[in-house]
Amino acid sequence: DQQVKQNSPSLSVQEGRISILNCDYTNSMFDYFLWYKKYPAEGPTFLISISSIKDKNEDGRFTVFLNKSAKHLSLHIVPSQPGDSAVYFCAASSVQGAQKLVFGQGTRLTINP
Amino acid sequence: EAGVAQSPRYKIIEKRQSVAFWCNPISGHATLYWYQQILGQGPKLLIQFQNNGVVDDSQLPKDRFSAERLKGVDSTLKIQPAKLEDSAVYLCASSLAGSVGAFFGQGTRLTVV
Repeated sequence: DQQVKQNSPSLSVQEGRISILNCDYTNSMFDYFLWYKKYPAEGPTFLISISSIKDKNEDGRFTVFLNKSAKHLSLHIVPSQPGDSAVYFCAASSVQGAQKLVFGQGTRLTINP
Repeated sequence: EAGVAQSPRYKIIEKRQSVAFWCNPISGHATLYWYQQILGQGPKLLIQFQNNGVVDDSQLPKDRFSAERLKGVDSTLKIQPAKLEDSAVYLCASSLAGSVGAFFGQGTRLTVV
């Protein structure tokens, strides 16, 4: 049972344009959502998060939007830079689940010069 | 601040052999996680410790996998005997107690042949 889904395995975007990565979840008990970025041969690194009491959180070029009614969140990167090329994982957690992270399958983002 | 340390980085073993991975979390982090990441998938939680007690090991294949966290600091994950399908990256992560999100190590890439 895949509770967190990233339906796009890959995404290619032109440098300078906006990158939009999507994530859907099924468990309504999730109350915190995170995005992690992963380069090859490295562990995932935290990028940005959002609590379920908010619908938007912004940090520099990165913005996460949460639509609780649709059980959907998205990560916007603008403008996209070559260094943003990586695999992005959406993750969710809940107090009920002892804060363990449930990950999506990941989306490989490629920024083309 | 030192990050999460894992060793070894890479390991190749034959099926039915045993293998052990070591993790040293960030100092002061009471919560420690072991995740398994199979190629093309997101990380999957194997076991979560709070200090030296197990919080969640529901997805740990207990017939062959074992983990311990002595003295609530370092942790080891063991596989005995290994199967071909155990080939994956094993990620250790840690966080402050009650904190959402976690810091990951670089992982150990296991290949079972």
